[in-house]
Amino acid sequence: KAGVTQTPRYLIKTRGQQVTLSCSPISGHRSVSWYQQTPGQGLQFLFEYFSETQRNKGNFPGRFSGRQFSNSRSEMNVSTLELGDSALYLCASSPRRGPGTGELFFGEGSRLTVL
Amino acid sequence: AQTVTQSQPEMSVQEAETVTLSCTYDTSESDYYLFWYKQPPSRQMILVIRQEAYKQQNATENRFSVNFQKAAKSFSLKISDSQLGDAAMYFCAYRSAGFGNTPLVFGKGTRLSVIA
Repeated sequence: KAGVTQTPRYLIKTRGQQVTLSCSPISGHRSVSWYQQTPGQGLQFLFEYFSETQRNKGNFPGRFSGRQFSNSRSEMNVSTLELGDSALYLCASSPRRGPGTGELFFGEGSRLTVL
Repeated sequence: AQTVTQSQPEMSVQEAETVTLSCTYDTSESDYYLFWYKQPPSRQMILVIRQEAYKQQNATENRFSVNFQKAAKSFSLKISDSQLGDAAMYFCAYRSAGFGNTPLVFGKGTRLSVIA
């Protein structure tokens, strides 16, 4: 079974631009979560989608948004990029909502550099 | 809000030796999950071990075991017979067990070096 796939793996943008990152969850997984990882702040939760609806949102400005498609694939978008948005963006999937095993399955991440 | 603290930013261990990584957490909930994730240079977070709070028995996965002290809110990871491939960042994480997919709350991580 293929794992969580994130594209692109690396990208460089300049301040003020926008970026879209993509995540394909494990087949059959319907929940997709996004996390931002930086050296200073560590791993922080961005948002979670299930059945094409945002179910949870972390403490990030409105420049960060996302969506989920009917095939469970998800995209996140960051508009008006700032230098501080440079980070590794990790996507994670899980089969369903509800306790289950609690485990999230992570992709390899998209490394965004803002110049 | 829940918090997770890893007090050891870096640790090192000799190959074949045993090392223990510390983690404490703060919560008012009684039902939750605790995890140790490993992040090698390849960046992919890999689950090492999982513990359900309602289970008193400590989880074990091959060379990896935990010491779960619920009252003390402590969740340490012991790696036995350390191997070069164990070198990575290790993150302790907490997750509520309530309905819905609550987010993972991560500690800052411990960088483990394995010395040949």
